[in-house]
Amino acid sequence: ETGVTQTPRHLVMGMTNKKSLKCEQHLGHNAMYWYKQSAKKPLELMFVYSLEERVENNSVPSRFSPECPNSSHLFLHLHTLQPEDSALYLCASSQGILNYGYTFGSGTRLTVV
Amino acid sequence: DQQVKQNSPSLSVQEGRISILNCDYTNSMFDYFLWYKKYPAEGPTFLISISSIKDKNEDGRFTVFLNKSAKHLSLHIVPSQPGDSAVYFCAASRRGSQGNLIFGKGTKLSVKP
Repeated sequence: ETGVTQTPRHLVMGMTNKKSLKCEQHLGHNAMYWYKQSAKKPLELMFVYSLEERVENNSVPSRFSPECPNSSHLFLHLHTLQPEDSALYLCASSQGILNYGYTFGSGTRLTVV
Repeated sequence: DQQVKQNSPSLSVQEGRISILNCDYTNSMFDYFLWYKKYPAEGPTFLISISSIKDKNEDGRFTVFLNKSAKHLSLHIVPSQPGDSAVYFCAASRRGSQGNLIFGKGTKLSVKP
């Protein structure tokens, strides 16, 4: 496996469900990110982790909970989501948070029903 | 309010001709700019970047121009190839931001054979 891998690729969940998105990078990078792309909107930064420490939380509702257990893995735990949370969730990694040549995963398409 | 704007949702160009993708920004604190390219069902891929101390950066067929006084940058692709057909995102960052890239909504480029 190379690059940044996200699972699942597609997820449909009810508003009362709890689910998790997984991201794994095989590039030896030390920074990881969650971005959200809603329909007809730009990509929006949600969370930044550097050396496994969260350094940015971009005013994201608490129903989204990130976890970075090590430098290769990043999770986004979801609970009691709303239909407007339906979007493409993209994970990215980089070598240092000032290196903007991110490597993105293919994303998880989330639909909340 | 959008800080990075790509006002053309789509662009169609003949193979072999020049493609010019435009991007405007409003925040004068931005000091680093990037272009990403995205194919369907894949994550964005870093293409080229430019620092605010420069006005041009070239990489093969791709050149980015920065006009700081106009708060405008453009991506030139010469010659355009059918494989360049993708969505192109402009992004910007400012010094001191913790890995926070601000993206435009993207321009879909179609290069016709």
